[in-house]
Amino acid sequence: SQTIHQWPATLVQPVGSPLSLECTVEGTSNPNLYWYRQAAGRGLQLLFYSVGIGQISSEVPQNLSASRPQDRQFILSSKKLLLSDSGFYLCAWSADEPLHFGNGTRLTVT
Amino acid sequence: EDKVVQSPLSLVVHEGDTVTLNCSYEVTNFRSLLWYKQEKKAPTFLFMLTSSGIEKKSGRLSSILDKKELFSILNITATQTGDSAIYLCAEAGGTSYGKLTFGQGTILTVHP
Repeated sequence: SQTIHQWPATLVQPVGSPLSLECTVEGTSNPNLYWYRQAAGRGLQLLFYSVGIGQISSEVPQNLSASRPQDRQFILSSKKLLLSDSGFYLCAWSADEPLHFGNGTRLTVT
Repeated sequence: EDKVVQSPLSLVVHEGDTVTLNCSYEVTNFRSLLWYKQEKKAPTFLFMLTSSGIEKKSGRLSSILDKKELFSILNITATQTGDSAIYLCAEAGGTSYGKLTFGQGTILTVHP
């Protein structure tokens, strides 16, 4: 069966520091991968998606970037965090079926 | 721009009550409407609706879509404290089930 791993679970970072969140999927090949952000326990907003290695599409302009160095690995990064980057970040995968989400990373920028 | 609106934003009920959660949408290329339940971390998939008037059911939960009026409802009968969660409605437009437009969510609290 397919599983999705996301880490760390929580993160507190100062403004201006870099960020790297990692997500890996097991049990499937060539999945579509997604990064969503959820603010204040509400609806999710799509940030990035990837249909293959090295292929990244950005949905909203922001201080973040994404990369997919391997088929089942998706990384969310920032060079310098802003206070507004705080939120709950969820990685997800799909293969022509409804999204399956990871357990998320709660990021607090102080 | 695609838009999904949920109501109410929050709801407090007692065990045994029946609740109805609403979701309306405005999208350019409708593909399907999805419901997720989020307790503490990962949202978990509940239903996907693509055809009007066909009810999807799972235990005490059911959902139906009205493509003419552009809305969906999620019903929960005989609520239990374990139903306390954020319920998210999302629309999958275009060619991908993964590029979802989410509503704000409904926070449901069920008291014993």
